[in-house]
Amino acid sequence: GESVGLHLPTLSVQEGDNSIINCAYSNSASDYFIWYKQESGKGPQFIIDIRSNMDKRQGQRVTVLLNKTVKHLSLQIAATQPGDSAVYFCAENNRAGGFKTIFGAGTRLFVKA
Amino acid sequence: KAGVTQTPRYLIKTRGQQVTLSCSPISGHRSVSWYQQTPGQGLQFLFEYFSETQRNKGNFPGRFSGRQFSNSRSEMNVSTLELGDSALYLCASSLRGTSGGPSTDTQYFGPGTRLTVL
Repeated sequence: GESVGLHLPTLSVQEGDNSIINCAYSNSASDYFIWYKQESGKGPQFIIDIRSNMDKRQGQRVTVLLNKTVKHLSLQIAATQPGDSAVYFCAENNRAGGFKTIFGAGTRLFVKA
Repeated sequence: KAGVTQTPRYLIKTRGQQVTLSCSPISGHRSVSWYQQTPGQGLQFLFEYFSETQRNKGNFPGRFSGRQFSNSRSEMNVSTLELGDSALYLCASSLRGTSGGPSTDTQYFGPGTRLTVL
């Protein structure tokens, strides 16, 4: 069935280093992918998105890479800061059967000062 | 522009009771989706409403229901509460369906309602 999974449930990085959070998806029909950040006690916050006709998109300190050949998505955070500590979710949108968003399990990012 | 709001933020109920949660989407958004978030299951899709109609549904029992009003505000109801219903219930709104292109499919989440069933 459809699923979006994460390779690592937790990631610990040193402040100032770059972080890479990975995600695998199984539905080749998905045409839109989103990364969300969820801090404790809050709802998920939109970070960055990418359409299936792109392979890279950059935002402020964040870059999303999409590899449709291996159905892999990654989020790169440059110069990771303590405020980046959160759970990160990848999500895919699939128009089949209506607008449907499937979320991955999430990766917890710890930033060490 | 105000974000997605959910009320109440916290709720404590006992088994067998029912509960109603409310969500006000971002102004102009006509799609509202509901999710259940638990540590063990992650974010699970409950249902989506668009223009007062349920457009999509996840794999939850009939005890979970929802509705959407003409102003796009949405409510979800859980009847005959069970201990396993304890979770964070998140509402998300989007423009999806109101204009073309996947860029309008981004969902914006509210802070959630933390439901505890005793």
